[in-house]
Amino acid sequence: KAGVTQTPRYLIKTRGQQVTLSCSPISGHRSVSWYQQTPGQGLQFLFEYFSETQRNKGNFPGRFSGRQFSNSRSEMNVSTLELGDSALYLCASSPSRQGNSPLHFGNGTRLTVT
Amino acid sequence: AQKITQTQPGMFVQEKEAVTLDCTYDTSDQSYGLFWYKQPSSGEMIFLIYQGSYDEQNATEGRYSLNFQKARKSANLVISASQLGDSAMYFCAILRTSYDKVIFGPGTSLSVIP
Repeated sequence: KAGVTQTPRYLIKTRGQQVTLSCSPISGHRSVSWYQQTPGQGLQFLFEYFSETQRNKGNFPGRFSGRQFSNSRSEMNVSTLELGDSALYLCASSPSRQGNSPLHFGNGTRLTVT
Repeated sequence: AQKITQTQPGMFVQEKEAVTLDCTYDTSDQSYGLFWYKQPSSGEMIFLIYQGSYDEQNATEGRYSLNFQKARKSANLVISASQLGDSAMYFCAILRTSYDKVIFGPGTSLSVIP
């Protein structure tokens, strides 16, 4: 079974631009979560989607948005990029919203904003 | 609110010895799950072990075991017979059974010395 796939692996963008990151969950997994990881703030929850609906959102500005498609694939968009958005963005999927379902992570997209 | 504390920013262990990574959590919920993840320098997050708050026995997965003390709200990870490949960041995480969002601790950097 293929794991969680995130594309692209690396991105370099300029301040003010926008970026779209993609995540394909493990087949059969309906829940997709996004996390931002930085050395200073650690792993911070961005949002979670289940069955194409955003179920939960972290404390990030509206520049961060996402969506989930009917095949459970998810995209995350960041508009008007700032230097502080440079981070590793991790996508994770799980089969359900049950409490004992571990998150299965992709390899991440490393975004650098210059 | 939920919070995870990992008091050891960095740990060293000799190859083939056992090591304990500390994790304490703060939640008012009675039902929750605790997870440990490993993140090598390559960036991917690897699920290691899960402990449910109502599980009576400590979880074990190969060389990983969890020392769960519910009354003290601690869930320490024990790695037996350390290997060089165990050098990585280790994150403790908590999830309420009602599925809010997974909250991660700041992590512990483990270095295995040959």
